[in-house]
Amino acid sequence: GEDVEQSLFLSVREGDSSVINCTYTDSSSTYLYWYKQEPGAGLQLLTYIFSNMDMKQDQRLTVLLNKKDKHLSLRIADTQTGDSAIYFCAEKVGANNLFFGTGTRLTVIP
Amino acid sequence: SQTIHQWPATLVQPVGSPLSLECTVEGTSNPNLYWYRQAAGRGLQLLFYSVGIGQISSEVPQNLSASRPQDRQFILSSKKLLLSDSGFYLCAWSATSGPGEQFFGPGTRLTVL
Repeated sequence: GEDVEQSLFLSVREGDSSVINCTYTDSSSTYLYWYKQEPGAGLQLLTYIFSNMDMKQDQRLTVLLNKKDKHLSLRIADTQTGDSAIYFCAEKVGANNLFFGTGTRLTVIP
Repeated sequence: SQTIHQWPATLVQPVGSPLSLECTVEGTSNPNLYWYRQAAGRGLQLLFYSVGIGQISSEVPQNLSASRPQDRQFILSSKKLLLSDSGFYLCAWSATSGPGEQFFGPGTRLTVL
């Protein structure tokens, strides 16, 4: 079955870069996603990458995909206190469903 | 633009009572719809998904059921709540074509006492 793993916690200082990592097991993933969840709220889609790409950049966010190693990362440049949240990676396998990782809680230290 | 609504936002219910959570989507037609549960400090567990009116797929055996009486309405129900049903319930929608990204509602915090 599908298994998506993430580290549970990450702490960075304000202004530094954050790198959140994710590994997945299903090589037939077509799209991979990053979501952000603030306390008490739903998940907000940040970005996604098609599986035949290896990099996607969107303002302060850079997604890197190593399909051979089934490794996905999200880099946040110039991390701000407002970036503190839980970040989920997810993979799309098949027609409709996404499989989510356990989430990484990012804490930004002022 | 598309929006997704969930209500209520919070709910406290006694064990053994019934449950009905509602989710509606605006601004799109024939969406795929999903119910997830998120236990405290945990990831998301897919409970049900629906690709059309009256079509429900259940991912895990449980005390809950789902219905889709209208194209953009998805309802999560239980006849008798258990303590273990406590959690944060999230509804999401996705388009039937394209990258398949899911868009989430604000969630319902359910506490069963």
